[in-house]
Amino acid sequence: DVVMTQSPDSLAVSLGERATINCKSSQSVLFRSNNKNYLVWYQQKPGQPPKQLIYWASTRESGVPDRFSGSGSGTDFTLTISSLQAEDVAVYYCQQYYTTPYTFGQGTKLEIK
Amino acid sequence: QVQLQESGPGLVTPSQTLSLICSVSGGSISRGGHYWNWIRQSPGKGLEWIGYISYSENTNYNPSLKSRVTLLVDTSKNQFSLKLNSVTAADTAVYYCAGDNGVSGIGSFEHWGQGTLVTVFS
Repeated sequence: DVVMTQSPDSLAVSLGERATINCKSSQSVLFRSNNKNYLVWYQQKPGQPPKQLIYWASTRESGVPDRFSGSGSGTDFTLTISSLQAEDVAVYYCQQYYTTPYTFGQGTKLEIK
Repeated sequence: QVQLQESGPGLVTPSQTLSLICSVSGGSISRGGHYWNWIRQSPGKGLEWIGYISYSENTNYNPSLKSRVTLLVDTSKNQFSLKLNSVTAADTAVYYCAGDNGVSGIGSFEHWGQGTLVTVFS
């Protein structure tokens, strides 16, 4: 299985400041024939299912604020929230869909400092 | 907008079979190229993909659960289902059904049900 490891496990950031979450895969999730990274980021708030924010590692889902951005390729990826808002408090997960079984990171809990 | 809703018992006795149904609305489950998934979430194991099924009954299961899992699809009811047999306390989790959107690729989950808590308890 592809192991997804996120860092940090938790993060406290002041409102309006930048938040950065990292995700590393145990093998490359870049499909060379189409040059796409099969990596997605989700946001999960308490009592809700995960919500897809970013797919192909850097493509924002429709309706997701542009303060959310994804970057990286191969095995190392980053989710950045450029200016933290109160409603961004949540747990964030990365997931690879390069190969089955699809696997998730352990999650990063984002809080307000 | 596609919506998914899980239904089924919230309590299952150890060694018995966990059975859940996912009802899909706002779109046909028979759309080609779309795959319908089950995912579970527990405090101990985080998010775990269980498997997927297509409308044509193409399936793919997580090897960690493959010996105990069966996914079925009922296109006439626009539903798909999960059966997990020989359950133990380790199978206690929130179970989600989820689907892709045909844009972000198979295995990315744009559509999720609200989830249903299943507790294995004697």
